[in-house]
Amino acid sequence: EAGVVQSPRYKIIEKKQPVAFWCNPISGHNTLYWYRQNLGQGPELLIRYENEEAVDDSQLPKDRFSAERLKGVDSTLKIQPAELGDSAVYLCASSKVAGKGYQETQYFGPGTRLLVL
Amino acid sequence: AQSVTQLDSHVSVSEGTPVLLRCNYSSSYSPSLFWYVQHPNKGLQLLLKYTSAATLVKGINGFEAEFKKSETSFHLTKPSAHMSDAAEYFCVVRINTGGFKTIFGAGTRLFVKA
Repeated sequence: EAGVVQSPRYKIIEKKQPVAFWCNPISGHNTLYWYRQNLGQGPELLIRYENEEAVDDSQLPKDRFSAERLKGVDSTLKIQPAELGDSAVYLCASSKVAGKGYQETQYFGPGTRLLVL
Repeated sequence: AQSVTQLDSHVSVSEGTPVLLRCNYSSSYSPSLFWYVQHPNKGLQLLLKYTSAATLVKGINGFEAEFKKSETSFHLTKPSAHMSDAAEYFCVVRINTGGFKTIFGAGTRLFVKA
């Protein structure tokens, strides 16, 4: 079974430029998450999708961040314009949602390491 | 408020000696608890999880953890460390507050000396 796929793995951009990250979850996983992991810290949730619906985007900085999950499968996370403080690893994860969803295991992709200069 | 505290930012052990990574949580709801490992430049991999069944949970690579409700703890242990265990470890709490909330600890970096 293929795992969560993310691309690109690394991205270097100048501040004020736009950037986009792509995620393909594990087949059959209804729930998709985007996390941001700053250096030396644990991941923090940005947005959670159940199928194509964003059910928790309370931590997404909506002035510059946007996300979409068309057809309830792949997802794209965009930053426009990027700021220096956006340098981090952006992780995508997916899980099945069956019964008690909070007990479901999240499977993580390798992440995209973003450096904003 | 819900929170997760990993009590040590760094732990150093010698190869072949026991490993103890400590995690305490605070939650008004019944939690599910997870331990993940992250090797450099790799994604997070699930080691084990507790979801209200047996309080002693066995995971991959010889790791196990015990859920102690009275102490609000979920410490990760391994009887004998291997060099390949050197990595970052995250304790994670998930709760149902009407929506699902996921809280990561800050992580513990494990060093294994030869």
